[in-house]
Amino acid sequence: DAKTTQPTSMDCAEGRAANLPCNHSTISGNEYVYWYRQIHSQGPQYIIHGLKNNETNEMASLIITEDRKSSTLILPHATLRDTAVYYCIALMGAGNMLTFGGGTRLMVKP
Amino acid sequence: DTGVSQDPRHKITKRGQNVTFRCDPISEHNRLYWYRQTLGQGPEFLTYFQNEAQLEKSRLLSDRFSAERPKGSFSTLEIQRTEQGDSAMYLCASDPGLVGYTDTQYFGPGTRLTVL
Repeated sequence: DAKTTQPTSMDCAEGRAANLPCNHSTISGNEYVYWYRQIHSQGPQYIIHGLKNNETNEMASLIITEDRKSSTLILPHATLRDTAVYYCIALMGAGNMLTFGGGTRLMVKP
Repeated sequence: DTGVSQDPRHKITKRGQNVTFRCDPISEHNRLYWYRQTLGQGPEFLTYFQNEAQLEKSRLLSDRFSAERPKGSFSTLEIQRTEQGDSAMYLCASDPGLVGYTDTQYFGPGTRLTVL
């Protein structure tokens, strides 16, 4: 699976959009981009995933560049409960283990 | 609550003791994964099952570790002769395991092991 690179930490004001970037320049054509988050002392929580097209669900939006070398997770109206470590993972195919990097520690501040 | 449950949630043991953790995946999920997470790090893959077959094991899974999924439903992870370095959060995840599809893994709350 392709390696992903994320900033170590980010701050966001409560109520504003949080935009979390991820670089995956070596991603292959059949690798999906997955986003998970982990709130302190809990198991990772699935957020969203995509292959080529932008995706949106009740939690977030995922914007993938046309060349697929990077993506951005958008939390449209961040709340204090969105404070967590966010992991971007490139995953190929079913049955493959998730390879977590260091993730981005997002701090949402009042 | 994702539907993946783990028991116990916390375990404190003395070095040299054996411990066993249980994971109950989401009903009818064919694939079950075990990960380990040490403080300040992301989770690391240990092993996974397709139904009852253990298909892959990480080099992190030393011979003191054994995992089973006897009937393709729940799974157990046993650590024999625990060491202080085994202190970590042990996470279980499951996905539907549909052949040919990239499936989303859902995680349980984890079992936090402390070895004294």
